[in-house]
Parts: sequence; C-alpha cells; structure tokens
Amino acid sequence: EIVLTQSPGTLSLSPGERATLSCRASQSVSSSYLAWYQQKPGQAPRLLIYGASSRATGIPDRFSGSGSGTDFTLTISRLEPEDFAVYYCQQYGSSPTFGQGTKVEIK
Amino acid sequence: EVQLVQSGAEVKKPGESLKISCKGSGYSFTSYWIGWVRQMPGKGLEWMGIIYPGDSDTRYSPSFQGQVTISADKSISTAYLQWSSLKASDTAMYYCARFIAAATNAFDIWGQGTMVTVSS
Repeated sequence: EIVLTQSPGTLSLSPGERATLSCRASQSVSSSYLAWYQQKPGQAPRLLIYGASSRATGIPDRFSGSGSGTDFTLTISRLEPEDFAVYYCQQYGSSPTFGQGTKVEIK
Repeated sequence: EVQLVQSGAEVKKPGESLKISCKGSGYSFTSYWIGWVRQMPGKGLEWMGIIYPGDSDTRYSPSFQGQVTISADKSISTAYLQWSSLKASDTAMYYCARFIAAATNAFDIWGQGTMVTVSS
C-alpha cells in the first residue's frame, strides 16, 4: 500500500499570502493518479485537482498542482478567506489512499 | 444536477447490524464507480472500497476487507455499505463518492455523509 505523507500538518497564514502544501508518496505514483481535495468543517470533501495538475470544474485558478514521482505540491497563490480548510492528497493505484491532511488556518 | 444523496444519521448498539445507502441521480449510475470513505471524529479520510454498479465488481481496501460489505442495486441507482456486527470503533462519518476512472482517477461528486454512532 502506498503511504502518502503530507506536510506541514498545520499551516498558519494570513489572507493574501501564498500557501504551499506538500504530499510525499512512499513509492512512485503516476501523475495521472494524484488528486487534491479541500474539506471545510461540517462539509464533505471537494475535488480541487486531479491528474496532479488539472483543476476540477469550477475551481479558481489560484489553486494549482504540480509534481511527479513521489513529490507533489498544491499551491494556493493568494489565500482568500474561504480557503482556510483542511486539504488532502489522494492516490489511486491498486488501492487508493489519502494523506493525513494539512490544515490551513488563519494566522 | 449530478448528486449523491445518502441516508440519514444512525445510532446503534454494539453487535447490531446496519445498512446505509447512497442514491445517485443526474447521471448514468451504472457507468461510474462509487466509493465509500470513512472519517472518524476529528480524523482524516480513509478509503474503504469501491463498486461498479454496472456489474457489481467490488474492491476493498485491505483495512476494511471482511469488516464491511459494499453492494449496489442498479435498478434504483443506489449503493450500500453494511455491517453485520457493529463495534464502537465504527463510529464515524461515512461518505460515498463517485469515482471517475481513467478520466480523472478521482472522486468528483460526494454525498453529504452519513453519521454512524455506535454506543451502548
């Protein structure tokens, strides 16, 4: 089973700042199989990025994904108030797994 | 509108059985995988398993194999997650989600979640 490790666990930033979230896999993941989700309190997760770098429908362009192999990154170029949430990466190999999440909180 | 609507919250005792549901609408239910994801209180997301309603092909996470049963009734566009004997550790929010294989390899539509509480 591929283990995804996200860092940092918590990111404290102010609105307007840039957020860089990391997702590291225990073994190589095809870029086609790496996704990012956002989850706000009391809500279901929402798909942000699939295929490592493609934005899902309706996702603002301040969200971008990059990476390959074992290292992937989600970048939020300028944080808006509604972006403070928990973010998860997910890979789909033989058995899908999620990372443990990164919480982006208001500083 | 494409949506997944899950059954309501449940409160059960240890040892009881339970079946929760997830009804799809606004798309061809038999053409997309449906997955189940667990979220224990204050914790992260865990993939439990996935089913293709078109032919009921089902795959389980090793962590959940034998612990739950995933099924689907394509005639009513509904997927199910069931337990034969609940434990207190099954207390969690359970989400169903549509999985787009090949195109996105991700869960693009999520249900609203079903909270399951197991307590004596």
